[in-house]
Amino acid sequence: DVKVTQSSRYLVKRTGEKVFLECVQDMDHENMFWYRQDPGLGLRLIYFSYDVKMKEKGDIPEGYSVSREKKERFSLILESASTNQTSMYLCASSFHRLAGGRTDTQYFGPGTRLTVL
Amino acid sequence: QKEVEQDPGPLSVPEGAIVSLNCTYSNSAFQYFMWYRQYSRKGPELLMYTYSSGNKEDGRFTAQVDKSSKYISLFIRDSQPSDSATYLCAMSAVEDTGRRALTFGSGTRLQVQP
Repeated sequence: DVKVTQSSRYLVKRTGEKVFLECVQDMDHENMFWYRQDPGLGLRLIYFSYDVKMKEKGDIPEGYSVSREKKERFSLILESASTNQTSMYLCASSFHRLAGGRTDTQYFGPGTRLTVL
Repeated sequence: QKEVEQDPGPLSVPEGAIVSLNCTYSNSAFQYFMWYRQYSRKGPELLMYTYSSGNKEDGRFTAQVDKSSKYISLFIRDSQPSDSATYLCAMSAVEDTGRRALTFGSGTRLQVQP
């Protein structure tokens, strides 16, 4: 059973603080993703990584950075938190490519609801 | 214009009803289509997966893809209160760059009344 865990379910931070969100998967997946989810906007991709130490910007990378030092762990960093970063943050992981060239099913963690005051 | 459009609802139906959830999209390169279900305060979980056009059935759930119209649907038969959740469509294209991220709709909130 695939398991993706996120370090916190709920987090409250102050404007200007540096925030770390951690994600760990136990299925030896190559790909890992960070999304944020906001009402009416759905899931938007922040960053993704397809290998250790590799990262690619998603659709809304501004104000965020990531780190992938180990295959199973993908961290999202808010360098200086702002109120517009209040959101639900979802981590996901997937295999590189499945048999038959299928694209990869993404498995999601439970999410971290971040509030920036 | 968003790449993927989905009515946010909420959609409220009585128990036992047939539910139809839909998404339209603009990128003709999309070939893989998925439906995720997200319960309140949980992460999304994969419900259905289809490739290209056609239908796929799994128990009470049927996914349809019409690539000519750029329209996908999820049907739920004999809906149950436990089906109350937000349903997200997602899709992706095969690209040489290897980008493997999904493009999501904004989700439709479904409420099945007992």
